[in-house]
Amino acid sequence: QKEVEQDPGPLSVPEGAIVSLNCTYSNSAFQYFMWYRQYSRKGPELLMYTYSSGNKEDGRFTAQVDKSSKYISLFIRDSQPSDSATYLCAQGSGNTGKLIFGQGTTLQVKP
Amino acid sequence: DTEVTQTPKHLVMGMTNKKSLKCEQHMGHRAMYWYKQKAKKPPELMFVYSYEKLSINESVPSRFSPECPNSSLLNLHLHALQPEDSALYLCASSQELAGVFNEQFFGPGTRLTVL
Repeated sequence: QKEVEQDPGPLSVPEGAIVSLNCTYSNSAFQYFMWYRQYSRKGPELLMYTYSSGNKEDGRFTAQVDKSSKYISLFIRDSQPSDSATYLCAQGSGNTGKLIFGQGTTLQVKP
Repeated sequence: DTEVTQTPKHLVMGMTNKKSLKCEQHMGHRAMYWYKQKAKKPPELMFVYSYEKLSINESVPSRFSPECPNSSLLNLHLHALQPEDSALYLCASSQELAGVFNEQFFGPGTRLTVL
């Protein structure tokens, strides 16, 4: 069993749809959670960073962490074709700098 | 400014060459990282530096040699690489290694091809 499970997709949605991306994790010792967006042949871009249960909102993006279920989500409202990318969830150690990545979900937003 | 820069963007090298990848950040971050990413896979951690000292080496072959000359720079020296080492090499930095300031910011990467 991978430590962070993420459905690789691909996920295809029409422009304007609400997108839900999800990960589950098994190691409760890693207390920090990140979502990255990665365009083809580019470096990952940090979208959201959180270390507590609950929701965190930034523009069209909302990150949700449920530590009791070991479940993290990223919601994208009013999705745009420019959101088409691979989305990586990551779980971070609090003291070593190690990140455990999910496999990434490929998202395509169709005009 | 949350920018990590990497040079070169692309590198093609033979198996007998010696080359170096460079990474720079001016955010005052004290932790820096090297990752390797193969196509359609997540990044894999190679090395971690904290306050210019090597903190983690994830059992990386000795043909990869990291160096942290100062708090803003990170190098990765390459020697006698194999074709399977072809990948996107990513540098990242974070304010600190531990605690709540450990979110990592990535550079654009160097695409390495070993012939």
